[in-house]
Amino acid sequence: GAGVSQSPSNKVTEKGKDVELRCDPISGHTALYWYRQSLGQGLEFLIYFQGNSAPDKSGLPSDRFSAERTGGSVSTLTIQRTQQEDSAVYLCASSFTSGGSGELFFGEGSRLTVL
Amino acid sequence: QKEVEQNSGPLSVPEGAIASLNCTYSDRGSQSFFWYRQYSGKSPELIMFIYSNGDKEDGRFTAQLNKASQYVSLLIRDSQPSDSATYLCAVRGYGQNFVFGPGTRLSVLP
Repeated sequence: GAGVSQSPSNKVTEKGKDVELRCDPISGHTALYWYRQSLGQGLEFLIYFQGNSAPDKSGLPSDRFSAERTGGSVSTLTIQRTQQEDSAVYLCASSFTSGGSGELFFGEGSRLTVL
Repeated sequence: QKEVEQNSGPLSVPEGAIASLNCTYSDRGSQSFFWYRQYSGKSPELIMFIYSNGDKEDGRFTAQLNKASQYVSLLIRDSQPSDSATYLCAVRGYGQNFVFGPGTRLSVLP
C-alpha cells in the first residue's frame, strides 16, 4: 500500500479482555517495528521483525504481550488480559531494510483505552 | 543499555529565529541518525537522516553529526509557528533496532 496501515484506529476495551492490533506495512518493506507511546511520553520499543522472525523482542512488557508476522507482511500485536496501564497509542513502523540504513515510516497508530 | 538523550524542553524561540535541538547517544557503534517531528496526536514523520560526520542541509533544516563526541543536532532556520512540535532523535546500529530519545518539545512564538 501507499503507507503503513494500522487497525483499529481506536479501541476501547474492558480490563481483562484480549485485544488484537493489526499492522500492514509498506509493500516490500522487510523490517517491521512496534512501539508504544503513553500520553506525553516518548516511544517505547516493543518488538521488531525482519521478515517473519523477531530478532529483538526485548521490549515486550510482559508475557501478556505477543506479536507475530506472517508472509513477511502483516503483523498482529496481541495483548491478553488487558490492564489499565496498557492504555496507550501503539505505533507500527516499517522500513526497507534493517541493515543500518533505511528510515522508519510510521502508521497512524492504534489508540487503546482499557477501562 | 543503549541510550539516546535529549533535553525535554520546552524550547521556546521567536518566529524567524534559529532553533537548535541536541541529542547525545551512548552506543559508539551507531551507524545512522534520524530526526523525526511529531505533532500532538499524530505519528512521527521523518525530517532528516544523516550517516556521515559533518553537516547535511535540506531547506531550512540542517543536521549535524559528530561521531567522536557522540552528538547529533538539528538546526531549524527561520523558525515558523508551524514548526512547533516534539522532535525525536533516533539512532540505529547495523542490524539493530532504532533507539529513540524522549523528544524535545519546540514552541515557536509568533
